Amino acid sequence: KQEVTQIPAALSVPEGENLVLNCSFTDSAIYNLQWFRQDPGKGLTSLLLIQSSQREQTSGRLNASLDKSSGRSTLYIAASQPGDSATYLCAVPGTSYDKVIFGPGTSLSVIP
Amino acid sequence: DAGITQSPRHKVTETGTPVTLRCHQTENHRYMYWYRQDPGHGLRLIHYSYGVKDTDKGEVSDGYSVSRSKTEDFLLTLESATSSQTSVYFCAISEGTTQANYGYTFGSGTRLTVV
Repeated sequence: KQEVTQIPAALSVPEGENLVLNCSFTDSAIYNLQWFRQDPGKGLTSLLLIQSSQREQTSGRLNASLDKSSGRSTLYIAASQPGDSATYLCAVPGTSYDKVIFGPGTSLSVIP
Repeated sequence: DAGITQSPRHKVTETGTPVTLRCHQTENHRYMYWYRQDPGHGLRLIHYSYGVKDTDKGEVSDGYSVSRSKTEDFLLTLESATSSQTSVYFCAISEGTTQANYGYTFGSGTRLTVV
């Protein structure tokens, strides 16, 4: 059974810092991994989708890497801004193609 | 989110009443999902659909039913609402083959309170 964990559960940093969020999964036979952002009271917004054949994806100040062999993905946020404050979740497909397992999320607070 | 809408956005209902939530998509995606999100439990799959009239249960399906008579609409029904079903409900869509999932797009959610 696929299990997904995220460390840390919460993170508070001053504005301008570079930071790394971690996502770990137990079953490395995944097709892809997706990072989402969720603002309080809002839905999930997709940030990056990494296919299993890729090692990383970049979008603006965000860079996500995927290491299937070690069961890990990292989301790197460069030059953090207060607007980056949100909860970040990673998600991987489960053993069935039509089910996705979500991590519990990392709550990020960027202090001005 | 663009291409997927949920209604209503907020609802308060009484215990024992039936409630139907609607998810509508304009993306013509094959797969649709209903999740609930609760503090301490994260996102949990209730039901999903892999085509018109093709649905299956997720991990927390008791007390819920779904229907999909058209590609664009996926309905979630709470047959007799209970306080434990107070939650935020999210619909998601995806398009992919049987061997890969091309990622999810989520709706904005429905906040349901059962009193």
